[in-house]
Amino acid sequence: KQEVTQIPAALSVPEGENLVLNCSFTDSAIYNLQWFRQDPGKGLTSLLLIQSSQREQTSGRLNASLDKSSGRSTLYIAASQPGDSATYLCAVVSGSARQLTFGSGTQLTVLP
Amino acid sequence: EAGVAQSPRYKIIEKRQSVAFWCNPISGHATLYWYQQILGQGPKLLIQFQNNGVVDDSQLPKDRFSAERLKGVDSTLKIQPAKLEDSAVYLCASSLSPSGSETQYFGPGTRLLVL
Repeated sequence: KQEVTQIPAALSVPEGENLVLNCSFTDSAIYNLQWFRQDPGKGLTSLLLIQSSQREQTSGRLNASLDKSSGRSTLYIAASQPGDSATYLCAVVSGSARQLTFGSGTQLTVLP
Repeated sequence: EAGVAQSPRYKIIEKRQSVAFWCNPISGHATLYWYQQILGQGPKLLIQFQNNGVVDDSQLPKDRFSAERLKGVDSTLKIQPAKLEDSAVYLCASSLSPSGSETQYFGPGTRLLVL
């Protein structure tokens, strides 16, 4: 059974800092890995999707890497802003049913 | 492009009552998912539909939860009778296909409180 772990559970940084969020998964046989953002009281917004054959994806100030063999991914946020404050969720697609399994998320607070 | 729509946004009921949630996916998306997100946890898949057929409902508590997707478009999720531990956000998502390479698009969710 696939399990996804995210560390840390919460993170508070001053505005302008670069930061890294970590994600690990137990079964390396994945189809893809996705990073989502969730704002309070709202649904999830997909940030980046990395196919199993890829090593990284970039979008603006966000860069996600994937090391499938070690079961790890990182989300790098450059020059953080207060508007980046949200919960960031990592999820992997795996299994015959191609299910999306989520981690518990990292709650990020960027202080002005 | 319109996103995934869900209603109601909030619902408060007493235990043992019944409740139903509605979801309208993005037009043209064949695959529809219902997730349960308990506070402080990531979403957990309850059921996945491909058109109007069930692909995976292995984590759906079938003694009290039911879901349907008539005509392969809208879907409803029902809980009867509700328990205190059903308090959660119920998220609906859709994707073009279940291939595993498609992004899932999520609705805003229905926040359920069972008293």
